[in-house]
Amino acid sequence: EVHLVEAGGGLVQPGGSLRLSCAASGFTFSTYAMNWVRQAPGKGLQWISYISSNSSSIIDYADSVKGRFTISRDNAKKMLYLQMNSLGGDDTAVYYCAREYCTGGSCTFDFWGQGTLVSVSS
Amino acid sequence: SYELTQPPSVSVSPGQTARITCAGDALSKQYAYWYQQKPGQAPVVVIHKDSERPPGIPERFSGSSSGTIVTLTISGVQAEDEADYYCQSADNSGWVFGGGTKLTVL
Repeated sequence: EVHLVEAGGGLVQPGGSLRLSCAASGFTFSTYAMNWVRQAPGKGLQWISYISSNSSSIIDYADSVKGRFTISRDNAKKMLYLQMNSLGGDDTAVYYCAREYCTGGSCTFDFWGQGTLVSVSS
Repeated sequence: SYELTQPPSVSVSPGQTARITCAGDALSKQYAYWYQQKPGQAPVVVIHKDSERPPGIPERFSGSSSGTIVTLTISGVQAEDEADYYCQSADNSGWVFGGGTKLTVL
C-alpha cells in the first residue's frame, strides 16, 4: 500500500527556515516524480515544486517560492525534502507531498500525504 | 501567470446533477484533472485526462472538455459528495490549480 508521510512542520519566525520531509513507502520511489503542494488556511491548493524521478534532470518551482525553496530527494532512503528559507506569513499553510503518476501522455497526482502544517509568525 | 477559473460554490439537492466548470486558455491543449477534498483530508483524484475515472471512483463522476472549458459532472449527487473540488492543468511554468468549488448538498 502506498504511503506518504510528511514531517518537519511547525512554528517558525518570519525570515526563518524550515526543512520538510516526506517518507515514501509501498512503491518504487525512484521511478516516480514527486511534487509539493500547499494549502493556506481556508484557501485553495497551490502547487509549489516538482522534481523528476531522477533528481538531477528536472526541477521546477512556482514563482512564489523560486529562489527561497529547494526541493530534493534521496531515492536510496525513499525520502523527499523541501528546504524553505526566508519564510513569510504567506507561506503559512499545510504542505502536502504528492506522487505524480504518468501514463499515456497524462500525469496525475495519484497519492498524497496527509500534510504537515507550517506556521510563520512572530 | 496562468489561471484556472472555477465558480466558488455550487449547490444541489440529493439525486440531482451537479456541474462544476473550470476555464483556462491552455485547457484546449492540456489535459485537465479533478480532485475532491473533504475537510481535514488530503485531495483525491476523481477525474484524470479530462474524462477518465480512476479505479474506485463511482460512475456518477464524469468529466468533459470543450475548448477552453472543462466540466466535472456528478450525476445523482449523494450527501457524501459534499466537498471542495479543484481542477488542475499544466502550463509552461508547471502545474496550476483552480481556485476550488465548494459543492453543497442541500
